[in-house]
Amino acid sequence: DTEVTQTPKHLVMGMTNKKSLKCEQHMGHRAMYWYKQKAKKPPELMFVYSYEKLSINESVPSRFSPECPNSSLLNLHLHALQPEDSALYLCASSQVERGELFFGEGSRLTVL
Amino acid sequence: DAKTTQPNSMESNEEEPVHLPCNHSTISGTDYIHWYRQLPSQGPEYVIHGLTSNVNNRMASLAIAEDRKSSTLILHRATLRDAAVYYCILREYSSASKIIFGSGTRLSIRP
Repeated sequence: DTEVTQTPKHLVMGMTNKKSLKCEQHMGHRAMYWYKQKAKKPPELMFVYSYEKLSINESVPSRFSPECPNSSLLNLHLHALQPEDSALYLCASSQVERGELFFGEGSRLTVL
Repeated sequence: DAKTTQPNSMESNEEEPVHLPCNHSTISGTDYIHWYRQLPSQGPEYVIHGLTSNVNNRMASLAIAEDRKSSTLILHRATLRDAAVYYCILREYSSASKIIFGSGTRLSIRP
């Protein structure tokens, strides 16, 4: 199984809603990542988890709250988002050292 | 963080080789050179990576300059399916490091 599965594929939410994006992998990878990608732009790193601990936070606003409940799961909790947060949110996993990143197909978020 | 520089776009003909360049003049000794590509409406996918020596796999070849300040991704026989944005990325050897995407090269393939 070399897949990273992201749900939901599409999400529309209002600025006062609370929602979550989910990411799952069963490759035994102990590093997991959240990226944000706006149209026609490269993915931007948001968070990195290593051995279920947050190791990198790229100064992401607190309305985005990551969580890694176990080695296979990664969540991104969303609260009080702004319309400019509308984007494709990509999850990836890898071995902690070296190794390629495996990406999911992303969750496309629209904030109204 | 060491950065990479790539041309914004390139065009090639179907069934011909494609050479995609990448400059990384500030690369450190522990940085691996990774290449990813992103097809329309998909997440990025891994293509190839290397440290010092040239590398081949079923998708592509990676040629690394002797001083490691540049590299070239080679698609030996481009198909229409190879039309994508190609990203050259430097990845530190140790720990779950920052993996920062540059602007990439948008490759178009002419039938």
